[in-house]
Amino acid sequence: QVQLQESGPGLVKPSQTLSLTCTVSGDSINSGGYYWSWIRQHPGKGLEWVGCISYSGSTYYNPSLKSRVTISVDTSKNQFSLRLSSVTAADTAVYYCASGRAADGFDPWGQGTLVTVSS
Amino acid sequence: QSVLTQPPSASGTPGQRVTISCSGSSSNIANNYVYWYQHLPGTAPKLLIYRNNQRPSGVPDRFSGSKSGTSASLAISGLRSEDEADYYCAAWDDSLSGRVFGGGTKLTVL
Repeated sequence: QVQLQESGPGLVKPSQTLSLTCTVSGDSINSGGYYWSWIRQHPGKGLEWVGCISYSGSTYYNPSLKSRVTISVDTSKNQFSLRLSSVTAADTAVYYCASGRAADGFDPWGQGTLVTVSS
Repeated sequence: QSVLTQPPSASGTPGQRVTISCSGSSSNIANNYVYWYQHLPGTAPKLLIYRNNQRPSGVPDRFSGSKSGTSASLAISGLRSEDEADYYCAAWDDSLSGRVFGGGTKLTVL
């Protein structure tokens, strides 16, 4: 059973780059058919899809974040990562990683990690 | 402003049946699968329904999903106190080429 765990700095300064990693356990990140996703939740708000990378390496990003987002996979470490550049206070949120096969939804999810953007 | 529209709140008493609606458009719900997630604050969201009306193993059959046109619904029967949570619908949006979520519905069990 796949399990996911987010890691990364909990505090990032404005204008810097937010970098988070999601470690996959219980299966290989190379397993066919999976999409590896990032989703965030601003304080007191709903869920927002950030983007994903497919098993074939194709990436899909939220249009509102596309110019600042990069999602990549490190197969040697069984991890995938999120980089969000030029952050502002509006990027303060709990960031979740999630996986799932196409059409099967986001399942499972990581526990989430709070990232605060502040000087 | 979320692409998918949900009522901000819903409530019911134990044993009751409640439904949560999710309204979208031809670019999302009408032509793509709908998903439902349950989220208790401080925990990882949980997939409740996929492909409009399918339940993952382990999800009780008290939870059911349906879709018609540009709208979808989540029904919870035999309401229990542990069902008190936030519920989100989601779908792929062809115009945005991305996943979209509803704004979430906070369910209170009275």
